[in-house]
Amino acid sequence: DTGVSQDPRHKITKRGQNVTFRCDPISEHNRLYWYRQTLGQGPEFLTYFQNEAQLEKSRLLSDRFSAERPKGSFSTLEIQRTEQGDSAMYLCASSLPHTQLFFGSGTQLSVL
Amino acid sequence: ILNVEQSPQSLHVQEGDSTNFTCSFPSSNFYALHWYRWETAKSPEALFVMTLNGDEKKKGRISATLNTKEGYSYLYIKGSQPEDSATYLCAYDAGGTSYGKLTFGQGTILTVHP
Repeated sequence: DTGVSQDPRHKITKRGQNVTFRCDPISEHNRLYWYRQTLGQGPEFLTYFQNEAQLEKSRLLSDRFSAERPKGSFSTLEIQRTEQGDSAMYLCASSLPHTQLFFGSGTQLSVL
Repeated sequence: ILNVEQSPQSLHVQEGDSTNFTCSFPSSNFYALHWYRWETAKSPEALFVMTLNGDEKKKGRISATLNTKEGYSYLYIKGSQPEDSATYLCAYDAGGTSYGKLTFGQGTILTVHP
């Protein structure tokens, strides 16, 4: 296992377009998290899954954001009608219960 | 709103210097304090997960201490090397069913000059 992988690494889109990111966690990890980081700030929690169940969503996650983890393996994060304020690094992480989080390298989104 | 503060925001040191950073966090509902190192274009790498008051952990030249009663943690790097240059992040974890829902500080950017 090569760790948590995210695709794509970079995404440039025009305002108003929809984008989708994918995260493949470490295979035996049942927890999967999404975070967002903007310049000069630490990562901010967006949502997390235990297996296929989405257990919590941050207030930061507007109705334009949706995340899924259909079979408890990979996850997707979709942003509809992107805005310039959505430009950020989107990080995915996975873990076993009550152990450290392993992060992917992130998807850098730029909304023009 | 949980407040996790790190200081300094950035630090420039010479190779061989020892350095330390501070992380302050809420002392209530504490479960764990995580330290990460994040190099540009790479994944954040977990350094330590600390849970016990008074705990001290060490990994090579890097060590960390934890005071949960007053809500602070120190990260120390002994004999800094250029490859230590990175952003160092701490994150507070209230645990329970929300384990892994971390509140991060803004990070300390360390630059080690040869």
